[in-house]
Amino acid sequence: DAGVIQSPRHEVTEMGQEVTLRCKPISGHNSLFWYRQTMMRGLELLIYFNNNVPIDDSGMPEDRFSAKMPNASFSTLKIQPSEPRDSAVYFCASSLASTGHDEQFFGPGTRLTVL
Amino acid sequence: AQKVTQAQTEISVVEKEDVTLDCVYETRDTTYYLFWYKQPPSGELVFLIRRNSFDEQNEISGRYSWNFQKSTSSFNFTITASQVVDSAVYFCALRSVDKIIFGKGTRLHILP
Repeated sequence: DAGVIQSPRHEVTEMGQEVTLRCKPISGHNSLFWYRQTMMRGLELLIYFNNNVPIDDSGMPEDRFSAKMPNASFSTLKIQPSEPRDSAVYFCASSLASTGHDEQFFGPGTRLTVL
Repeated sequence: AQKVTQAQTEISVVEKEDVTLDCVYETRDTTYYLFWYKQPPSGELVFLIRRNSFDEQNEISGRYSWNFQKSTSSFNFTITASQVVDSAVYFCALRSVDKIIFGKGTRLHILP
């Protein structure tokens, strides 16, 4: 069975451009998480969804970031406009139970570089 | 406030040595879960273990073992007879109610 799928794997863009990161969770999983990883700040939870509903978006840095989960098999994280400080690896993860104590399965990540 | 502290930023040991990675957490919740994840050089995070706050039993899985002590709010991870393939960044994480927090990670180098 396929794991969590993220696209693109690498994205290089210029400051001010819109960036959209995509995630397909493992089929049957009810929770989906977006993380950002940088050397300075480590691994930060940005937002997570239970049954397609956003539960906690307190980690979203600012209004330039938005996330959606239109259905159980797809989620997007959008940055508009992008800035150089957004450069990071963005991970998507999913877990089986909406109660949240199950282990998370991580995707391979999207390495974003904003010039 | 919730917090996860991995005080060891980087550790280097020679192959076959034992090594312990420390994790100290803070939470006011009585029900919570602790996790360890491994991030090898390939970059993908891999789940290693989960513990709930009511289960202080230590666990051993092959060369890996975990020591959970609520009295000291610690959930330490020991690798016995380390191997080069254990080289990775290891993250401790805390999950309670609607919050998830990861520690900063410990980068482990196993030298041949």
